[in-house]
Amino acid sequence: AQKITQTQPGMFVQEKEAVTLDCTYDTSDQSYGLFWYKQPSSGEMIFLIYQGSYDEQNATEGRYSLNFQKARKSANLVISASQLGDSAMYFCAMREAKNTGGFKTIFGAGTRLFVKA
Amino acid sequence: EAGVTQFPSHSVIEKGQTVTLRCDPISGHDNLYWYRRVMGKEIKFLLHFVKESKQDESGMPNNRFLAERTGGTYSTLKVQPAELEDSGVYFCASSQWGSRDEQYFGPGTRLTVT
Repeated sequence: AQKITQTQPGMFVQEKEAVTLDCTYDTSDQSYGLFWYKQPSSGEMIFLIYQGSYDEQNATEGRYSLNFQKARKSANLVISASQLGDSAMYFCAMREAKNTGGFKTIFGAGTRLFVKA
Repeated sequence: EAGVTQFPSHSVIEKGQTVTLRCDPISGHDNLYWYRRVMGKEIKFLLHFVKESKQDESGMPNNRFLAERTGGTYSTLKVQPAELEDSGVYFCASSQWGSRDEQYFGPGTRLTVT
């Protein structure tokens, strides 16, 4: 069963506008972490933002914020004031604790964001 | 501080050949992960090293894949013999122990099997 779902394969946004990238997850754990990564055309994976399951406030990092709705199991990424350099693939990921100890990180299929001038 | 590096950046091989991918994690990071992304699909976990030990290799597709991490430093992932379905981008990531397990990724190796 898919544990991380990103329903938007592609998104367009006008430069300087805000955009929300959707992510829903499935877990029975009480303790988990949620991440967003950006992958520009150059290929590297860049960490953007982290939200812990026990964090009461939504995480923010500059123009990035995570709209965390625990009951709905959603962790949407909001990018404010989009810039042309935001055009990239964005991956949502979840870190779960493993029965054998340590963690396992699961990724969604990604959303490709296009920022229009 | 140097980030995670991977070599080569791109490899094109024929079916049946052998390829070895290398990952150098961030110095001091005990955790090292290998992932693979096949075109258009999600990034899939392959395996996890803690220092030189394999903590979890449940994501390795089959016994044609062999990963090692010598002395807990760099890691190699060998595919032998390569098949067409092995094509994709292989990412390496490293992290320190901690509650977040924030993973830093390398640029990936794009493997094309023809």
